[in-house]
Amino acid sequence: DSGVTQTPKHLITATGQRVTLRCSPRSGDLSVYWYQQSLDQGLQFLIQYYNGEERAKGNILERFSAQQFPDLHSELNLSSLELGDSALYFCASSVMPYNEQFFGPGTRLTVL
Amino acid sequence: AQTVTQSQPEMSVQEAETVTLSCTYDTSENNYYLFWYKQPPSRQMILVIRQEAYKQQNATENRFSVNFQKAAKSFSLKISDSQLGDTAMYFCAFMDQGGSEKLVFGKGTKLTVNP
Repeated sequence: DSGVTQTPKHLITATGQRVTLRCSPRSGDLSVYWYQQSLDQGLQFLIQYYNGEERAKGNILERFSAQQFPDLHSELNLSSLELGDSALYFCASSVMPYNEQFFGPGTRLTVL
Repeated sequence: AQTVTQSQPEMSVQEAETVTLSCTYDTSENNYYLFWYKQPPSRQMILVIRQEAYKQQNATENRFSVNFQKAAKSFSLKISDSQLGDTAMYFCAFMDQGGSEKLVFGKGTKLTVNP
């Protein structure tokens, strides 16, 4: 158990819908990272927050957005969902910049 | 942009034997970190080992060790005394020190440990 929690574990929804994935970092970790794992794209970095501020952006679609709240939990919002958005979404956290990242168990999103 | 290549999509090893997983990377940076993550069938991503590029000494963690060759941009993982629980996907990852803190992953090597 890494100490990073993600909810829900599984999510099944339809095309065009909007979903919110939630992540709670390890106690004391200020950085939160979101990654997407799909069969065709592999593991890809989406976005990073540090102490409430967006710090880095990767291959994140405009339909996706994220935020980090004052209690340091983070949410990833996915809208206008397409079949290709079906993937495993990981949240990771680290205590300070350039430290090892600890991953949550992931949320498996299935878009039908 | 940095890239990470794992040239072995699948490997297998007998229990108690030693296996080495390969990883090469491409970067123009001098300072960076390298990692190996393990993803068992449960899908959890588990950090196995970390190497700082400025350190010449290869990192070790119990049965796991790396062979870091900076000039060759090579970072292989050696698993000694393989156990059934080592069966998993193994991902090599790169992090630029001083740039974005994102991890850049290879496509992974599926390792099967046979009894």
